[in-house]
Amino acid sequence: KNEVEQSPQNLTAQEGEFITINCSYSVGISALHWLQQHPGGGIVSLFMLSSGKKKHGRLIATINIQEKHSSLHITASHPRDSAVYICATRRGAQKLVFGQGTRLTINP
Amino acid sequence: GAGVSQSPSNKVTEKGKDVELRCDPISGHTALYWYRQSLGQGLEFLIYFQGNSAPDKSGLPSDRFSAERTGGSVSTLTIQRTQQEDSAVYLCASSLTSGANNEQFFGPGTRLTVL
Repeated sequence: KNEVEQSPQNLTAQEGEFITINCSYSVGISALHWLQQHPGGGIVSLFMLSSGKKKHGRLIATINIQEKHSSLHITASHPRDSAVYICATRRGAQKLVFGQGTRLTINP
Repeated sequence: GAGVSQSPSNKVTEKGKDVELRCDPISGHTALYWYRQSLGQGLEFLIYFQGNSAPDKSGLPSDRFSAERTGGSVSTLTIQRTQQEDSAVYLCASSLTSGANNEQFFGPGTRLTVL
């Protein structure tokens, strides 16, 4: 079992739908990151959180430390949201441990 | 440029050759990370620098892999005697410090293909 598990692995939805991507982890962490990777390969950091909830535009990230679970939500999804979304955890001060990613496709 | 840069963007090499991959972090960022993304695989950690020292080299897959950082800035990842399984996208990231609450900023990556 991977230290960081994401679900689903693949998700296809219609434009406008509400999207949820889940991330579960097995060890205590200092922070959790949500990253976005577009087809060209570039990675953008969306959120870094250690408790509660953060919102940026149509994106919302939540984390429940007790349950070792985080979710990334996209409201009013759009085809340009199509990308791979990656959850990564951080223990202590150093490296990230990555989930396998969720490939999201939003159809017009 | 304000972001993390990497060079080359693409590298094709023959099995057995040595390659060097370069990372220029964001100016002032003291922490620098190397990651690898193999085809169809997730991202994996290789090595991390705080300043010029590497407190965590635990992700380097073999002794053919080495990295250095000089002047607290540019880092070079060297792969000796490349093998086909080394083919991957090598990503560099930097953060202001290595503290847990510091966001990591990623470079565009170097796509390495070993023939």
